[in-house]
Amino acid sequence: AQSVTQLDSQVPVFEEAPVELRCNYSSSVSVYLFWYVQYPNQGLQLLLKYLSGSTLVKGINGFEAEFNKSQTSFHLRKPSVHISDTAEYFCASANQAGTALIFGKGTTLSVSS
Amino acid sequence: ETGVTQSPTHLIKTRGQQVTLRCSSQSGHNTVSWYQQALGQGPQFIFQYYREEENGRGNFPPRFSGLQFPNYSSELNVNALELDDSALYLCASSPFGGTVGEAFFGQGTRLTVV
Repeated sequence: AQSVTQLDSQVPVFEEAPVELRCNYSSSVSVYLFWYVQYPNQGLQLLLKYLSGSTLVKGINGFEAEFNKSQTSFHLRKPSVHISDTAEYFCASANQAGTALIFGKGTTLSVSS
Repeated sequence: ETGVTQSPTHLIKTRGQQVTLRCSSQSGHNTVSWYQQALGQGPQFIFQYYREEENGRGNFPPRFSGLQFPNYSSELNVNALELDDSALYLCASSPFGGTVGEAFFGQGTRLTVV
């Protein structure tokens, strides 16, 4: 079955510390990979995407992710987080038909001072 | 340019009732997808509409149905509501031919079934 697995349900960090949110995908999904952020009571906002080309992808708000085909991973990183980065983060892949996104269960990033 | 708008924002229904949720797509987008996000879970794909026809469906029963109108807006209808239908329903619009992940999401409709 197609699946995306987010390895951490909650990640607490202090402000200005680096953070990594981990995501693995099954080889049966497409390698169109995405990270979305969801702030409380809001919809999803695209942070970044990997479609092809360079394996290091830069997104908005200082986030970046690295596509690793051999490890089937697409981890999200930020070198220095802010309080405002506190949110739910979802890793997703396009299905094989390209009609839908398959989401992981999400990682709650909590940034404290 | 207008974003994706959904209505209503919140809704409470009784088990067994029917509900209709509405979505206006972003300007220039002709494809609309619906997702169900249960509490503490990631969104799950319900279906996609393009040119007023269903263009893909997830693992949801037939009591989940939809419509797309000539102006590309869309409705999600759920019949015979069950308690497990309580969730945030997200609508996403995208230009057909664009990567599915380039969809823009609305803020969702929070449905509570009691």
